[in-house]
Amino acid sequence: SYELTQPPSVSESPGQTARITCSGDALPKQYANWYQQKAGQAPVLVIYKDSERPSGIPERFSGSSSGTTVTLTISGVQAEDEADYYCQSTDSSGTFVFGTGTKVTVL
Amino acid sequence: QVQLVEPGGGVVQRGGSLRLSCAATGFTFSTCAMHWVRQAPGKGLEWVAVLSYDVTTDYYAGSVKGRFTISRDNSKNTLYLQMNSLRTEDTAVFYCARLRAGGEGLDVWGQGTTVIVSS
Repeated sequence: SYELTQPPSVSESPGQTARITCSGDALPKQYANWYQQKAGQAPVLVIYKDSERPSGIPERFSGSSSGTTVTLTISGVQAEDEADYYCQSTDSSGTFVFGTGTKVTVL
Repeated sequence: QVQLVEPGGGVVQRGGSLRLSCAATGFTFSTCAMHWVRQAPGKGLEWVAVLSYDVTTDYYAGSVKGRFTISRDNSKNTLYLQMNSLRTEDTAVFYCARLRAGGEGLDVWGQGTTVIVSS
Protein backbone atom coordinates (compact mmCIF):
# COMPACT_ATOMS: atom_id res chain seq x y z
CA SER A 1 0.00 0.00 0.00
CA TYR A 2 1.06 3.57 -0.63
CA GLU A 3 2.97 5.29 2.17
CA LEU A 4 3.89 8.86 2.98
CA THR A 5 6.94 9.12 5.21
CA GLN A 6 7.58 11.97 7.65
CA PRO A 7 10.24 12.45 10.34
CA PRO A 8 8.84 11.58 13.79
CA SER A 9 9.90 14.86 15.33
CA VAL A 10 11.24 18.32 14.58
CA SER A 11 12.45 20.77 17.22
CA GLU A 12 13.19 24.43 16.77
CA SER A 13 13.65 27.54 18.89
CA PRO A 14 11.08 30.33 18.78
CA GLY A 15 11.57 32.64 15.81
CA GLN A 16 13.54 30.08 13.82
CA THR A 17 12.36 28.15 10.76
CA ALA A 18 10.93 24.66 11.13
CA ARG A 19 10.76 22.41 8.09
CA ILE A 20 8.79 19.16 7.89
CA THR A 21 9.27 16.82 4.96
CA CYS A 22 6.93 14.23 3.50
CA SER A 23 8.12 11.66 0.96
CA GLY A 24 6.04 9.51 -1.36
CA ASP A 25 6.49 7.99 -4.79
CA ALA A 26 3.29 9.47 -6.22
CA LEU A 27 3.88 13.02 -5.01
CA PRO A 28 5.20 14.21 -8.39
CA LYS A 29 1.75 13.42 -9.82
CA GLN A 30 -0.57 14.12 -6.88
CA TYR A 31 -1.07 17.20 -4.73
CA ALA A 32 -0.24 17.15 -1.04
CA ASN A 33 -2.15 18.79 1.79
CA TRP A 34 -0.99 19.51 5.35
CA TYR A 35 -2.88 19.41 8.65
CA GLN A 36 -2.03 20.70 12.10
CA GLN A 37 -3.41 18.80 15.09
CA LYS A 38 -3.04 20.18 18.58
CA ALA A 39 -3.47 17.90 21.58
CA GLY A 40 -7.07 16.84 22.08
CA GLN A 41 -8.34 18.74 19.04
CA ALA A 42 -9.48 17.92 15.52
CA PRO A 43 -7.02 18.49 12.68
CA VAL A 44 -6.91 21.83 10.85
CA LEU A 45 -5.99 22.23 7.17
CA VAL A 46 -2.98 24.57 6.91
CA ILE A 47 -1.82 23.98 3.31
CA TYR A 48 -3.60 22.51 0.28
CA LYS A 49 -2.48 21.81 -3.29
CA ASP A 50 1.16 21.69 -2.16
CA SER A 51 1.47 25.41 -1.44
CA GLU A 52 -1.91 27.13 -1.12
CA ARG A 53 -2.87 28.56 2.25
CA PRO A 54 -6.54 28.57 3.40
CA SER A 55 -7.96 31.81 4.66
CA GLY A 56 -7.21 32.39 8.32
CA ILE A 57 -3.93 30.46 8.30
CA PRO A 58 -0.95 32.66 9.23
CA GLU A 59 1.50 33.61 6.48
CA ARG A 60 4.35 31.93 8.36
CA PHE A 61 2.99 28.60 7.09
CA SER A 62 4.09 27.74 3.55
CA GLY A 63 4.42 24.64 1.41
CA SER A 64 6.61 23.52 -1.45
CA SER A 65 7.15 20.48 -3.64
CA SER A 66 10.17 18.95 -5.32
CA GLY A 67 10.04 15.53 -6.94
CA THR A 68 8.93 12.89 -4.47
CA THR A 69 9.15 15.22 -1.46
CA VAL A 70 6.86 17.97 -0.21
CA THR A 71 7.83 20.33 2.60
CA LEU A 72 5.86 22.34 5.14
CA THR A 73 7.80 25.35 6.38
CA ILE A 74 6.94 27.37 9.46
CA SER A 75 8.89 30.62 9.31
CA GLY A 76 9.38 32.27 12.68
CA VAL A 77 7.92 29.37 14.61
CA GLN A 78 5.90 30.30 17.68
CA ALA A 79 5.00 28.43 20.84
CA GLU A 80 1.41 28.11 19.60
CA ASP A 81 2.67 26.13 16.58
CA GLU A 82 3.62 23.19 18.80
CA ALA A 83 1.48 20.35 17.45
CA ASP A 84 1.45 17.21 15.34
CA TYR A 85 1.57 17.79 11.59
CA TYR A 86 0.35 15.35 8.91
CA CYS A 87 0.76 15.41 5.17
CA GLN A 88 -1.97 13.82 3.04
CA SER A 89 -2.25 12.86 -0.60
CA THR A 90 -4.02 10.35 -2.82
CA ASP A 91 -2.80 7.10 -4.30
CA SER A 92 -3.19 5.87 -7.87
CA SER A 93 -6.73 4.64 -7.18
CA GLY A 94 -7.83 7.98 -5.76
CA THR A 95 -8.04 6.94 -2.13
CA PHE A 96 -6.65 9.17 0.58
CA VAL A 97 -3.51 8.45 2.55
CA PHE A 98 -2.04 10.32 5.51
CA GLY A 99 1.62 10.62 6.36
CA THR A 100 3.11 9.11 9.49
CA GLY A 101 2.99 12.42 11.34
CA THR A 102 5.60 14.78 12.78
CA LYS A 103 5.61 16.22 16.29
CA VAL A 104 6.86 19.80 16.27
CA THR A 105 8.37 20.99 19.52
CA VAL A 106 9.16 24.65 20.11
CA LEU A 107 12.12 24.73 22.47
CA GLN B 1 -21.58 28.90 11.07
CA VAL B 2 -19.97 26.10 9.10
CA GLN B 3 -19.96 23.10 11.39
CA LEU B 4 -19.94 19.33 11.55
CA VAL B 5 -21.37 17.78 14.70
CA GLU B 6 -20.94 14.15 15.61
CA PRO B 7 -23.13 12.83 18.41
CA GLY B 8 -21.54 10.39 20.83
CA GLY B 9 -20.01 7.14 19.64
CA GLY B 10 -20.07 4.42 22.19
CA VAL B 11 -18.75 1.17 23.57
CA VAL B 12 -19.50 -2.01 21.65
CA GLN B 13 -18.36 -5.59 21.98
CA ARG B 14 -16.06 -7.20 19.47
CA GLY B 15 -18.09 -8.45 16.54
CA GLY B 16 -20.84 -5.93 17.15
CA SER B 17 -22.16 -3.03 15.09
CA LEU B 18 -22.46 0.71 15.51
CA ARG B 19 -23.64 3.59 13.31
CA LEU B 20 -22.02 6.99 13.53
CA SER B 21 -23.68 10.15 12.30
CA CYS B 22 -22.38 13.60 11.37
CA ALA B 23 -24.74 16.57 11.06
CA ALA B 24 -23.70 19.44 8.80
CA THR B 25 -24.77 23.05 9.22
CA GLY B 26 -23.84 26.36 7.64
CA PHE B 27 -23.03 25.13 4.13
CA THR B 28 -24.64 23.34 1.18
CA PHE B 29 -24.03 19.78 2.29
CA SER B 30 -25.50 18.24 -0.87
CA THR B 31 -22.68 19.66 -3.03
CA CYS B 32 -19.76 18.37 -0.94
CA ALA B 33 -17.90 15.06 -0.91
CA MET B 34 -17.53 13.84 2.66
CA HIS B 35 -14.93 11.70 4.41
CA TRP B 36 -14.45 9.71 7.61
CA VAL B 37 -11.02 9.70 9.24
CA ARG B 38 -10.06 7.91 12.46
CA GLN B 39 -7.29 8.07 15.02
CA ALA B 40 -6.47 5.18 17.34
CA PRO B 41 -5.27 6.13 20.83
CA GLY B 42 -1.78 7.61 20.62
CA LYS B 43 -1.56 6.97 16.88
CA GLY B 44 -1.70 9.00 13.68
CA LEU B 45 -4.57 9.82 11.38
CA GLU B 46 -6.01 7.02 9.26
CA TRP B 47 -8.33 7.72 6.36
CA VAL B 48 -11.44 5.49 6.43
CA ALA B 49 -13.87 6.28 3.62
CA VAL B 50 -15.23 8.90 1.20
CA LEU B 51 -18.62 9.40 -0.43
CA SER B 52 -19.29 11.71 -3.35
CA TYR B 53 -21.83 14.52 -3.06
CA ASP B 54 -24.32 12.63 -5.24
CA VAL B 55 -23.82 9.21 -3.62
CA THR B 56 -22.54 7.69 -6.87
CA THR B 57 -18.97 6.99 -5.76
CA ASP B 58 -17.47 5.64 -2.57
CA TYR B 59 -14.05 4.37 -1.59
CA TYR B 60 -12.81 2.60 1.52
CA ALA B 61 -9.52 1.89 3.24
CA GLY B 62 -8.48 -1.72 2.96
CA SER B 63 -8.71 -2.15 6.73
CA VAL B 64 -12.47 -1.49 6.75
CA LYS B 65 -13.61 -2.57 3.28
CA GLY B 66 -16.47 -5.03 3.48
CA ARG B 67 -17.21 -4.15 7.12
CA PHE B 68 -17.95 -0.40 7.03
CA THR B 69 -20.45 1.44 4.82
CA ILE B 70 -20.52 5.19 4.29
CA SER B 71 -23.83 6.79 3.39
CA ARG B 72 -25.56 10.16 3.47
CA ASP B 73 -29.01 11.73 3.53
CA ASN B 74 -28.76 15.05 1.72
CA SER B 75 -32.30 15.96 2.77
CA LYS B 76 -31.18 15.78 6.40
CA ASN B 77 -27.66 17.18 5.85
CA THR B 78 -26.27 14.12 7.56
CA LEU B 79 -23.41 11.70 6.89
CA TYR B 80 -23.31 8.20 8.33
CA LEU B 81 -20.82 5.40 8.90
CA GLN B 82 -22.26 1.95 9.50
CA MET B 83 -19.64 -0.23 11.20
CA ASN B 84 -20.13 -3.99 11.36
CA SER B 85 -17.98 -6.87 12.57
CA LEU B 86 -16.07 -4.48 14.79
CA ARG B 87 -12.62 -5.43 16.00
CA THR B 88 -10.65 -4.19 19.00
CA GLU B 89 -8.30 -2.45 16.57
CA ASP B 90 -11.21 -0.28 15.39
CA THR B 91 -11.09 1.54 18.74
CA ALA B 92 -10.47 5.16 17.78
CA VAL B 93 -11.74 8.70 17.61
CA PHE B 94 -13.71 9.03 14.38
CA TYR B 95 -13.89 12.37 12.56
CA CYS B 96 -16.13 13.35 9.69
CA ALA B 97 -14.65 15.95 7.35
CA ARG B 98 -15.62 17.96 4.29
CA LEU B 99 -13.62 17.93 1.09
CA ARG B 100 -13.01 21.54 0.12
CA ALA B 101 -14.48 22.89 -3.11
CA GLY B 102 -11.82 22.36 -5.74
CA GLY B 103 -11.19 18.83 -4.59
CA GLU B 104 -8.08 19.11 -2.46
CA GLY B 105 -7.86 19.10 1.31
CA LEU B 106 -10.32 18.48 4.14
CA ASP B 107 -11.25 21.97 5.27
CA VAL B 108 -13.98 21.38 7.85
CA TRP B 109 -13.78 18.70 10.55
CA GLY B 110 -16.15 17.46 13.21
CA GLN B 111 -15.07 17.44 16.84
CA GLY B 112 -14.64 13.67 16.77
CA THR B 113 -16.54 10.86 18.42
CA THR B 114 -15.00 8.01 20.38
CA VAL B 115 -15.65 4.38 19.55
CA ILE B 116 -14.39 1.72 21.94
CA VAL B 117 -14.55 -1.93 20.94
CA SER B 118 -14.22 -4.18 23.95
CA SER B 119 -13.05 -7.76 23.95
